[in-house]
Formats: sequence, C-alpha cells, structure tokens
Amino acid sequence: GAVVSQHPSWVICKSGTSVKIECRSLDFQATTMFWYRQFPKQSLMLMATSNEGSKATYEQGVEKDKFLINHASLTLSTLTVTSAHPEDSSFYICSARGGEGDSTEAFFGQGTRLTVV
Amino acid sequence: GQNIDQPTEMTATEGAIVQINCTYQTSGFNGLFWYQQHAGEAPTFLSYNVLDGLEEKGRFSSFLSRSKGYSYLLLKELQMKDSASYLCAVKDSNYQLIWGAGTKLIIKP
Repeated sequence: GAVVSQHPSWVICKSGTSVKIECRSLDFQATTMFWYRQFPKQSLMLMATSNEGSKATYEQGVEKDKFLINHASLTLSTLTVTSAHPEDSSFYICSARGGEGDSTEAFFGQGTRLTVV
Repeated sequence: GQNIDQPTEMTATEGAIVQINCTYQTSGFNGLFWYQQHAGEAPTFLSYNVLDGLEEKGRFSSFLSRSKGYSYLLLKELQMKDSASYLCAVKDSNYQLIWGAGTKLIIKP
C-alpha cells in the first residue's frame, strides 16, 4: 500500500510554544489530507481537511488560528499547534488520499504523540 | 445525524472466533471500512466493503448489508497479537469518513 510518513512520532513542548507536525505521502500524490486528533480511549476526531493549494476546511469547534494547516504541495501537509497548552496534549494523526471519491481508503501516518507540559 | 455504533469492548479466547458488529446511519453510503488500531499507534486498514456480502482476507472477514445498515468483522483463529481496537468507518455521500468509537478486543490465553 501507499506510504504516509508523519514526523515527529512524539514531541514534548512547553506550554505557550508552537509545534509543527509534518505529513508526507512518499509514493503518491495526495490531493487531500486529513488531520485527526485522538484522545485516550476515544475514536478519531477529524480536525480539518486540506486540499493541495487551497485553505483547509476545519470541523466545527476546531480553532483554525490555533491549528494552522498548510498543504503547499501534493506530498506535504503540515499542522502547527500554536501557543500549545496542556489540554492540547493528544495523539495527532494525518491521512492522505490520492483521488476524490476513490474507493481505496486514505492512508495513515504513524501519528504524533504531543505532550504539553 | 450520522451515527455509527459498535460495542465498546469484547473479550475472546486465543484460538477462538469473534464477531464485531457495526451498525450505521449516515447521509449516503460510499463504502465501509474496518481498521485495526493498537494502543499508541495509528490505525491500519483491514477491509473495505461497498457491495453486500462477505469479503474474506485470511483470518479476517468482513460482511456488509446495506439495506440493514449493518456490518461485521469476523476474526478467526485468534492470536494474542489481535488484541487491539477495531474501528468501523463509513464513507458518506460527501466521501467523508464517519468513524465509530471503536471496539476494544481483549484476547485471553
């Protein structure tokens, strides 16, 4: 299957600082990338959907000024958590899809465990 | 609203068979997916159903009935490594994935 690489795998940062998470599709062009957040023992919560070259679409309740998403190329999307606080500590996962309505599922990155202290 | 229901937790014995059910109510349907997620890791794809019937893939099988809004994941010859959460997800009319909360499967020796 297609490979999606997410970096870093884990990060610890101080409250008030910003953290950038990268999501790369290694062997296909990702026209759409999805960013999810998952709290312990809960399912995936979609934060935003981004299409290459356009602004991300955020889900209700997700602050777009706090979670900055950039999808500048067909192989890279970044999520920046700005002014992080302890409540932002979570497991962040990206997934990438090559085609609209494609029957194959989006492929997931390895996830990033963010801990804000 | 859109809703996907699956049991919160199930327990089974090594070597046995277990069936994890998923019922859904979504705006449109463009396929149903099952994912496996080990603690602390991202989900991994298991199966995809878009037509009614059974899809078999090794020890894992997935069934779909669109008229009933129902699917199940069947795991045979259970191994300890199958202990994980199993997520059911439906692609709606906008091709957005709607996720179930996941079923935590505990395998006992």
